[in-house]
Amino acid sequence: GQNIDQPTEMTATEGAIVQINCTYQTSGFNGLFWYQQHAGEAPTFLSYNVLDGLEEKGRFSSFLSRSKGYSYLLLKELQMKDSASYLCAVMDSNYQLIWGAGTKLIIKP
Amino acid sequence: DVKVTQSSRYLVKRTGEKVFLECVQDMDHENMFWYRQDPGLGLRLIYFSYDVKMKEKGDIPEGYSVSREKKERFSLILESASTNQTSMYLCASSFKQDYNEQFFGPGTRLTVL
Repeated sequence: GQNIDQPTEMTATEGAIVQINCTYQTSGFNGLFWYQQHAGEAPTFLSYNVLDGLEEKGRFSSFLSRSKGYSYLLLKELQMKDSASYLCAVMDSNYQLIWGAGTKLIIKP
Repeated sequence: DVKVTQSSRYLVKRTGEKVFLECVQDMDHENMFWYRQDPGLGLRLIYFSYDVKMKEKGDIPEGYSVSREKKERFSLILESASTNQTSMYLCASSFKQDYNEQFFGPGTRLTVL
């Protein structure tokens, strides 16, 4: 079957760095997405990786290793507004998105 | 500014009622999707559509149907609502291309009593 695993909850301190991991087993691979979802709001797109390596976008970076079925989202200089759930999703061989359950990130002052 | 709107943010219905959830996008996207989101589970795809009058079943279509009469509008129908359909329903849309970032609406929190 298809499976996306990510930690349920993480806590970090304002100003620090946090890494949210995602491992996947899917039938085929056509890219991995990270979305941010604040409580009660719609998910919003953060990043897309289809090749191995690191993609940097401001304070956020996303890494992919296809051979290991692994990705992480790195958030630097954490701000209180980064408190949200972070969703990992893999596009399978049918170009359908398979979603993880999300990681709730709590930022403490 | 791109926009996906959903007809209601909150909805309370009774068991057995027919429920209509509407989604409209203004980005001229070909693809539209309906998901449900439940605590501890990832988003689960109910139905999707790649074109007007076209629909495909997702992972959990049972108890649901959809309608896409116009490109910008995608409706989700619960033929006879049941308590296990209490959930957050999210609509999304995207362009028809391999790399298809999806844009989401704000969601409808449906409670079936």
